[in-house]
Parts: sequence; C-alpha cells; structure tokens
Amino acid sequence: QQKVQQSPESLSVPEGGMASLNCTSSDRNFQYFWWYRQHSGEGPKALMSIFSDGDKKEGRFTAHLNKASLHVSLHIRDSQPSDSALYFCAAASSGSWQLIFGSGTQLTVMP
Amino acid sequence: GGIITQTPKFLIGQEGQKLTLKCQQNFNHDTMYWYRQDSGKGLRLIYYSITENDLQKGDLSEGYDASREKKSSFSLTVTSAQKNEMAVFLCASSIPDRGYEQYFGPGTRLTVL
Repeated sequence: QQKVQQSPESLSVPEGGMASLNCTSSDRNFQYFWWYRQHSGEGPKALMSIFSDGDKKEGRFTAHLNKASLHVSLHIRDSQPSDSALYFCAAASSGSWQLIFGSGTQLTVMP
Repeated sequence: GGIITQTPKFLIGQEGQKLTLKCQQNFNHDTMYWYRQDSGKGLRLIYYSITENDLQKGDLSEGYDASREKKSSFSLTVTSAQKNEMAVFLCASSIPDRGYEQYFGPGTRLTVL
C-alpha cells in the first residue's frame, strides 16, 4: 500500500476557478509535508511546505494540514492556465533521508 | 541559488545495452537521489546517497547500479536496457535541515529500441 495517496488523479477547472487537491498518508511518523509542481518536460519544483497543523497561505495557494487525520490539502484560487501541471504531495519523517511522493494529480486549467 | 545538471537530456539505447546517466549539483548538498518516472506518473526511488561514497537502494534498484564519485556528482547505470522501455530519470539533491526539501534536475528521457 502506498504511504502517500493523492486524489483526484486528474482535475479540470475553469480559469479563475478554485482547484482543490487532496493527500492522505498512512504513516504517523510523517512530520514534514510538501507540495511539488511539475510542468511538462521539466523536473518537479517545490511549491510549498507545511509542517504544522492548520493553514498556510502563499499568494493564491493555501495548504492545510491535519496531522490527526494524516490529511494534507492544497487549494489554488483564481486558477490560471499556467497552473496546469502535475502536482505531487510528499512527506518525510524526522531522521529519514527520503521524501515519499504520492502518485500525483494532473491539473488542467481551461482558458 | 544552485542548479542540477543532468546529461544527456535524451538517451536512445538498444536492448541489452549498458547505459550511464550523469548528474551534477552545485548546491553543495550532501544527499543525492535518482528517481524513475513513467509516462508523467509518480516518482519511484532507485538509489540515493547520503554522503560521498555512500549508496542506499531504493524500491526500484534492481536492474540499476549507482556511483557517487564525489559530493557534487551522482551517476546511474542501467545495467541491461529493456526493449520498449521509456521513462524519465530524475536526479535530486537535498539537505535535511530544510524539512528534507529536494531540488530536482530537468531529467534524462530514455528510449530503448
């Protein structure tokens, strides 16, 4: 069983709309959570991190973490066509050298 | 800032061939990784190296060898390329005191004929 599961697999939203991506982990040792974004033909880039329960906002992007339920989400408001990409959730536990990646959500923002 | 360079960008090989992919980073990071990504899907860890001269196997190490020649470089060898294999190989580096954030290179796209 994958330790980090993402949903949905793919998501289409209209330009200017809200995109919501979800991630659930199965390992209570995870303490560090990341969202990565990968545009076609490029390597993934870190979008934002969240290490504490609650919300973290950076511009149009808001991440939410609930460690009790092992749930992380990413919300993108006012979505732009340039936000179209593959989004990964990733998690790490203290003392581990690995980031465990989910299988990704393909976001398409339609002009 | 720093950068991760992967060479070659595109690699075409024949079935059974041994193929080597190279990665260089100038972040001065201790830890480096190799991942395989099939058809825009998830990342699967092949090998990682915590520090120079260290090698650790990931979940997908069978069929691959790795070498950490020095702190800035990490190579991956496909020991026997499989026909119709097509994937992108991504190199990354990290330091633990940034919440294990990893920085990725642009990838090497492998096609096996």
